[in-house]
Amino acid sequence: DVKVTQSSRYLVKRTGEKVFLECVQDMDHENMFWYRQDPGLGLRLIYFSYDVKMKEKGDIPEGYSVSREKKERFSLILESASTNQTSMYLCASSLGGSDTGELFFGEGSRLTVL
Amino acid sequence: GQNIDQPTEMTATEGAIVQINCTYQTSGFNGLFWYQQHAGEAPTFLSYNVLDGLEEKGRFSSFLSRSKGYSYLLLKELQMKDSASYLCAVLDSNYQLIWGAGTKLIIKP
Repeated sequence: DVKVTQSSRYLVKRTGEKVFLECVQDMDHENMFWYRQDPGLGLRLIYFSYDVKMKEKGDIPEGYSVSREKKERFSLILESASTNQTSMYLCASSLGGSDTGELFFGEGSRLTVL
Repeated sequence: GQNIDQPTEMTATEGAIVQINCTYQTSGFNGLFWYQQHAGEAPTFLSYNVLDGLEEKGRFSSFLSRSKGYSYLLLKELQMKDSASYLCAVLDSNYQLIWGAGTKLIIKP
């Protein structure tokens, strides 16, 4: 089974702190994604990556950056956390190439910024 | 703009059938996905439709009409464990996923 593991299920940070969210997948997937999920809204794409050291902005990249130094690991960084970044963050991966795009998700990291 | 609409919440009875609708307006279409998400858990893939018609997979079926911009997820013989949110997502012309806000399904005994 594909496993996508997110490093922290729950985090509480203060405004202005730097936050790292780590995501690791174990199925050699090419594509990795970071989404945020807020009540009443659909999943919103922050950043995605189709290859090592490659990154593309999603719909809401402002205030975030990412790093993909190894194929299996995709990190989301909040340089200076703000209260409007309080959310559930979901990492996902997919095979890549000509596949249908089925996503495999991690269990999420719920971030609260005070 | 691009838009996916699905009901916010639905309630059904154990053993019954429920249909969750999804309508979409997107720039292009390369397929529609349904995902299930239990509270506090990761979304998991249920189905993918790219051609018109009904795809059946056990108790779950998914239907697509591209001309109407419409899909539904049909759940039969409902079980308590089917209580979850159901997410509809469309792959647009740029192969980007556009997500609906999800339908929370409550199953009552």
